[in-house]
Amino acid sequence: QKEVEQDPGPLSVPEGAIVSLNCTYSNSAFQYFMWYRQYSRKGPELLMYTYSSGNKEDGRFTAQVDKSSKYISLFIRDSQPSDSATYLCALNTNTGNQFYFGTGTSLTVIP
Amino acid sequence: DSGVTQTPKHLITATGQRVTLRCSPRSGDLSVYWYQQSLDQGLQFLIQYYNGEERAKGNILERFSAQQFPDLHSELNLSSLELGDSALYFCASSVGHRVDQPQHFGDGTRLSIL
Repeated sequence: QKEVEQDPGPLSVPEGAIVSLNCTYSNSAFQYFMWYRQYSRKGPELLMYTYSSGNKEDGRFTAQVDKSSKYISLFIRDSQPSDSATYLCALNTNTGNQFYFGTGTSLTVIP
Repeated sequence: DSGVTQTPKHLITATGQRVTLRCSPRSGDLSVYWYQQSLDQGLQFLIQYYNGEERAKGNILERFSAQQFPDLHSELNLSSLELGDSALYFCASSVGHRVDQPQHFGDGTRLSIL
């Protein structure tokens, strides 16, 4: 079983829609949760970073962590065509020496 | 722009050959991480260097090696290349080695083995 599972999609939504991207994980020791956005032919770009449980909001983006369910989400409000990219989650423990990445969800926002 | 520079952007070579990928971290960052990204495996952590010393190892093959130089740039050496080594190789950097410090990625080197 992989440490982190992420639905690869692809996900296609109309402009203005609310998008929900999710990852599940198996290791209850994960404490650090990140979301990266990766455009085609580019490196991953850090979007959101949360520690432990709860929500974090930054503009149109909200990251949510549910440790009891081992489930993390990234919500994008008022989605724009420029949000079209692959979104990767990344997780780590307090003592781990590496981040574990999901395989990414491909999102297309249609104008 | 993340501030992490990787060269070359593309590399085409043949099986059995050896290549070197180069990474310059963001100014002030002491840690460098190397990742391999393939379509079916996603981002796989290879190795981390902190201030010139190897800090952590992931799924790095014995045919692969890396080092970080005094000026903090890093090189990833891949030898006896196989078709399966074709992938995107990313370098990331962070300020320190702590697990709570986010990593910033370069735009990668696309390696194609013919």
